[in-house]
Amino acid sequence: QKEVEQNSGPLSVPEGAIASLNCTYSDRVSQSFFWYRQYSGKSPELIMSIYSNGDKEDGRFTAQLNKASQYVSLLIRDSQPSDSATYLCAVTYGGATNKLIFGTGTLLAVQP
Amino acid sequence: NAGVTQTPKFQVLKTGQSMTLQCAQDMNHNSMYWYRQDPGMGLRLIYYSASEGTTDKGEVPNGYNVSRLNKREFSLRLESAAPSQTSVYFCASRGQGALLNSGYTFGSGTRLTVV
Repeated sequence: QKEVEQNSGPLSVPEGAIASLNCTYSDRVSQSFFWYRQYSGKSPELIMSIYSNGDKEDGRFTAQLNKASQYVSLLIRDSQPSDSATYLCAVTYGGATNKLIFGTGTLLAVQP
Repeated sequence: NAGVTQTPKFQVLKTGQSMTLQCAQDMNHNSMYWYRQDPGMGLRLIYYSASEGTTDKGEVPNGYNVSRLNKREFSLRLESAAPSQTSVYFCASRGQGALLNSGYTFGSGTRLTVV
């Protein structure tokens, strides 16, 4: 069974702090990794993608990938109350890049 | 607006009734997907269509059928609804080639309740 694991949270951080969200996956041949943000009652929206080991930065967001450890993370700098949402990790599996497996998500709460 | 359009947004069914959830995308994407989302279970793939004319089962296909009507449209049918199918259903699409790495684009979802 191919799996994507996330801590369900809630992860509570004060406004202005760095939020660190983590994800592990079981399929060693996974090639593409995505982070989605989902506000309550809304659909998931893509915020970051990463394909190579290392860091990828986009504004306040940094995605980190370590394929040897089968680990991907998302850092949110200068967290804002508007960042409060569920963050979903998604991973391609089986070498077939058309399908994604999603983790169950981590609920982030940024306290003003 | 470009994107993925789902209808209806809300639906209440009685056990045993049938219905079809509609999905259309205008981004010229090859691949389309149906997911369900339940509390604590995350998004689970029901069916997908890698290209026009093809469909395949995902993780949880039982009780559902799909039709890839053309490149734009991918519908999900519940033939005999059961309370276990109460969920939020999302349709998504994905590009190909250079667009393959752009991730999925999701529709706004259908909240289905089966009583």
